[in-house]
Amino acid sequence: GAGVSQSPSNKVTEKGKDVELRCDPISGHTALYWYRQSLGQGLEFLIYFQGNSAPDKSGLPSDRFSAERTGGSVSTLTIQRTQQEDSAVYLCASSWQGMNTEAFFGQGTRLTVV
Amino acid sequence: GENVEQHPSTLSVQEGDSAVIKCTYSDSASNYFPWYKQELGKRPQLIIDIRSNVGEKKDQRIAVTLNKTAKHFSLHITETQPEDSAVYFCAASMGTGRRALTFGSGTRLQVQP
Repeated sequence: GAGVSQSPSNKVTEKGKDVELRCDPISGHTALYWYRQSLGQGLEFLIYFQGNSAPDKSGLPSDRFSAERTGGSVSTLTIQRTQQEDSAVYLCASSWQGMNTEAFFGQGTRLTVV
Repeated sequence: GENVEQHPSTLSVQEGDSAVIKCTYSDSASNYFPWYKQELGKRPQLIIDIRSNVGEKKDQRIAVTLNKTAKHFSLHITETQPEDSAVYFCAASMGTGRRALTFGSGTRLQVQP
């Protein structure tokens, strides 16, 4: 089956514009994560969805960032009024609910704010 | 929340030598500790993981050790090869699934031929 799919692969946007990043997790995975990786840096946690529980939004850096997950599957990360410091690779991952199992990453969306 | 520290940030070894990367975590409730390898321009991929009911796990040239009392775990790569060159991330999470994986800052491993 298909792995975690993210779109677009690359996104160049002007400062101040809004962007939407999409993640299609592996079918059946109820846990979904968003991370941000700046060039040469580590994986910064953004938000975590687990089944029907309230998402853990503790990693979102500002109120310009939001995410939703519809129907327990596809997730969209929205960044409003983008700033240059938002430029990074945004990685999505999914894993099986409630178990100590592997998180599978998508290929990421490289966001460049100019 | 959980905090994971990883050392060293960079590591250079000669081909055939061993490499060791160490991580510490803060939340004693964490019980799942995976290691991910990220090659340049690619996505992170799981290479090995360990759960808190074991102290050591091996998979060919890779091994991970866990000391729950001291809250630290380590990745050991023996007989390193140039293809082992990558960035390695440790992570920790609670197995109940109530918290996302928290990653360390990464170690850039360079294996010199």
